[in-house]
Amino acid sequence: AQSVTQLGSHVSVSEGALVLLRCNYSSSVPPYLFWYVQYPNQGLQLLLKYTTGATLVKGINGFEAEFKKSETSFHLTKPSAHMSDAAEYFCAVSDDSGYALNFGKGTSLLVTP
Amino acid sequence: EPEVTQTPSHQVTQMGQEVILRCVPISNHLYFYWYRQILGQKVEFLVSFYNNEISEKSEIFDDQFSVERPDGSNFTLKIRSTKLEDSAMYFCASSEGQASGNTIYFGEGSWLTVV
Repeated sequence: AQSVTQLGSHVSVSEGALVLLRCNYSSSVPPYLFWYVQYPNQGLQLLLKYTTGATLVKGINGFEAEFKKSETSFHLTKPSAHMSDAAEYFCAVSDDSGYALNFGKGTSLLVTP
Repeated sequence: EPEVTQTPSHQVTQMGQEVILRCVPISNHLYFYWYRQILGQKVEFLVSFYNNEISEKSEIFDDQFSVERPDGSNFTLKIRSTKLEDSAMYFCASSEGQASGNTIYFGEGSWLTVV
């Protein structure tokens, strides 16, 4: 079954610093990969997704992720963190059936002044 | 921008009571889902629904749970005889096509507290 592992349950960066949130996947078929963000007391919002084609995917709010098949990774990056980026970030992969997403445990991003 | 809407936003219920969580998916979407997130844990898939029937369900989705699309716009999750461990945030979601490759749009969630 498809699954994802997010390394680091908490990441802290300074405002203006690079954001790097790690996600590794396990999949027996070409994966469809997603990053969602959850702001406090809100639902899940799609940041970006990889289906096929270009391996560098750009999303909203300046985030991007690169699909690396050789490393089975789909890490999320943003060149310069903003205070408003503080949130919970979830990596997800669609499962074998294509009907469900399997989420990672999430990474809480803290941005300090 | 179209969105998935859920009601109630928060419900407190006594153990053993039945709860119905309601959702209005995005209007042109064909696939509907329920997920849950227990406090401090990851988001877990419960069930997907397509063409008026369950297309997939997880081990969590046992006989205690049921889903229904009673009319052309609503999608409900019923939890019979709630247990303390059912306390969680329940997210409704919808998509135009299957989860593989299609964006799943989530509602803001219904927070269920079982006491």
